[in-house]
Amino acid sequence: GAVVSQHPSRVICKSGTSVKIECRSLDFQATTMFWYRQFPKQSLMLMATSNEGSKATYEQGVEKDKFLINHASLTLSTLTVTSAHPEDSSFYICSAGGGFLSTDTQYFGPGTRLTVL
Amino acid sequence: AQSVSQHNHHVILSEAASLELGCNYSYGGTVNLFWYVQYPGQHLQLLLKYFSGDPLVKGIKGFEAEFIKSKFSFNLRKPSVQWSDTAEYFCAVSQQGSGNTGKLIFGQGTTLQVKP
Repeated sequence: GAVVSQHPSRVICKSGTSVKIECRSLDFQATTMFWYRQFPKQSLMLMATSNEGSKATYEQGVEKDKFLINHASLTLSTLTVTSAHPEDSSFYICSAGGGFLSTDTQYFGPGTRLTVL
Repeated sequence: AQSVSQHNHHVILSEAASLELGCNYSYGGTVNLFWYVQYPGQHLQLLLKYFSGDPLVKGIKGFEAEFIKSKFSFNLRKPSVQWSDTAEYFCAVSQQGSGNTGKLIFGQGTTLQVKP
């Protein structure tokens, strides 16, 4: 149980375009989803916390207008990278928790590799 | 602010050697502690977690960790590693109590390479 999926797993886009990444909890309802960014050989940096039905809480230094997060249902959260630039190239990982699971334990998706040309 | 420090960035061991990965955190309140593993090409998986109770926690695949409150440490151990333990290991902390949002703070990660 507690499976989290992400789609797409890999995306390449041109500079200036927008990219949407989906995060789904497949076998549980997640009241809270988290979005992380991981640079090569580095740790995960939390970008934002999203709670179903409310606005996401962004970490300091993360542009909310650039990284749009929507958590419209208990099983789906989306991250849209707007007007992507090469410096946005990274590995984006979501995690989910809450619902019948404690928010204290998060389950991670497989990640999405974004490359902006 | 909370922070997590993992002392070893890259560890190379031979099979059957014992493993200990260091993790120290900085936070004045009560915390939840986690170790996650990321195998090559795979997503993060929970190895073990500590919320309260017995400070010696046993996880999957023969891993264990000990919470030493006085040292703000949560070191990961395994008595005998296998080649399949080659992976990236992350220590993480979240805040307990009324301020708990589930937010995880991760350490820098330790790359473990086990030679057959």
